[in-house]
Amino acid sequence: GQQLNQSPQSMFIQEGEDVSMNCTSSSIFNTWLWYKQDPGEGPVLLIALYKAGELTSNGRLTAQFGITRKDSFLNISASIPSDVGIYFCAGEDTYTGANSKLTFGKGITLSVRP
Amino acid sequence: GAGVSQSPRYKVAKRGQDVALRCDPISGHVSLFWYQQALGQGPEFLTYFQNEAQLDKSGLPSDRFFAERPEGSVSTLKIQRTQQEDSAVYLCASSAPQLPYTEAFFGQGTRLTVV
Repeated sequence: GQQLNQSPQSMFIQEGEDVSMNCTSSSIFNTWLWYKQDPGEGPVLLIALYKAGELTSNGRLTAQFGITRKDSFLNISASIPSDVGIYFCAGEDTYTGANSKLTFGKGITLSVRP
Repeated sequence: GAGVSQSPRYKVAKRGQDVALRCDPISGHVSLFWYQQALGQGPEFLTYFQNEAQLDKSGLPSDRFFAERPEGSVSTLKIQRTQQEDSAVYLCASSAPQLPYTEAFFGQGTRLTVV
């Protein structure tokens, strides 16, 4: 089946640093999404990308939809302690307007040292 | 309610026991999804409802898993004869489809432990 690859499994950064996360796929997706999950909570959507090449920002977050539609990256600038959590990329391969079947990566656990 | 509500938050079941997990979606959301998240993994799609119709159940891992949404609102995920490999967090999400894209809001999940 389809798989999204996220690596490394964990990242450790200093508060104030920028961090970049990458996500690659063996197949094409029409929509790319980035989620953050805190312990004991469900994933929360950070950014949604609809078109190949699209670059979208949400505060200190910037994400891009790769032009091949097989990859995406997420940048977090000027990290703060509350950025700690697990970051998942997800792709939707069939546009339904209802993100009915998302394929998630395994996630990257981000730690921020004060 | 304000968000997607799932109950119970935690469930411990003996192997072979049947369990029922409940999801209350955001009011007015016609789409509802169930995902299974094993420890250290990303969520994996189980099934999808639009109103009361189950449009996709391709992710259900076996015929021991059954989901329903009889009135197009609350949904129940039932697992019969639970096995240890069923231990996971079960996430429910709901959305109100809008073009070009709609956000699915996730509940906090039910952590199922089969002993």
